[in-house]
Amino acid sequence: SSELTQDPAVSVALGQTVRITCQGDTFRSYSASWYQQKPGQAPLLVIYGKNNRPPGIPDRFSGSSSGNTASLTITGAQAEDEADYYCNSRDSTGDHLVVFGGGTKLTVL
Amino acid sequence: EVQLVQSGAEVKKPGESLRISCKGSGDSFTNYWIGWVRQMPGKGLEWMGIIYPGDSETRYSPAFQGQVTISADKSISTAYLRWSSLRASDTAMYYCARHVPISVVRGLKTYFYYYMDVWGIGTTVTVSS
Repeated sequence: SSELTQDPAVSVALGQTVRITCQGDTFRSYSASWYQQKPGQAPLLVIYGKNNRPPGIPDRFSGSSSGNTASLTITGAQAEDEADYYCNSRDSTGDHLVVFGGGTKLTVL
Repeated sequence: EVQLVQSGAEVKKPGESLRISCKGSGDSFTNYWIGWVRQMPGKGLEWMGIIYPGDSETRYSPAFQGQVTISADKSISTAYLRWSSLRASDTAMYYCARHVPISVVRGLKTYFYYYMDVWGIGTTVTVSS
């Protein structure tokens, strides 16, 4: 089981803003990275560090963190943003160098 | 720009051994951590472990320690994931990914955590009798 907790599913109306959250004690010490995975494709890094976007990732994607919760916000969601989203970081106990959240299925209505 | 090219799909029987590969190109392979991520059918991402090809330092998730072996041959810019005796439960997609460390200093100690910025397309492993 993952010590990073994500809601299994979230939906958003086209063009609206959605926040996908990831809870874990680790975020009091470490930042989250976020990955988008579409069916049949490899994951794609969309946010890393505190709030950094790799080249080519639209600026509608942003990251933030407060307390034990990290968030990925999509401002003005597009149809092509429909995908699974995973958070990752380091586990807070030190036993696991890398951990993933269970993933959130984003539906764009 | 680094690219990771993974070996092709495999179909194996329980008890057989298997090694899949991940070849890096375009950038200095030995200067990055390369790791493996499992995705079982219809499930989420699970981190397996990483290797630094420059010196073959390897770290495993406790869940996969002893179950698989991660290795690398820096002379051909290739990382490997090996099973000595496959089980049906090893059926999954396996991704290799470049792991980039971020350091955090707390007191006198430096801690690292990683993000994965380049991914291979995955290798499907099917284990069935």
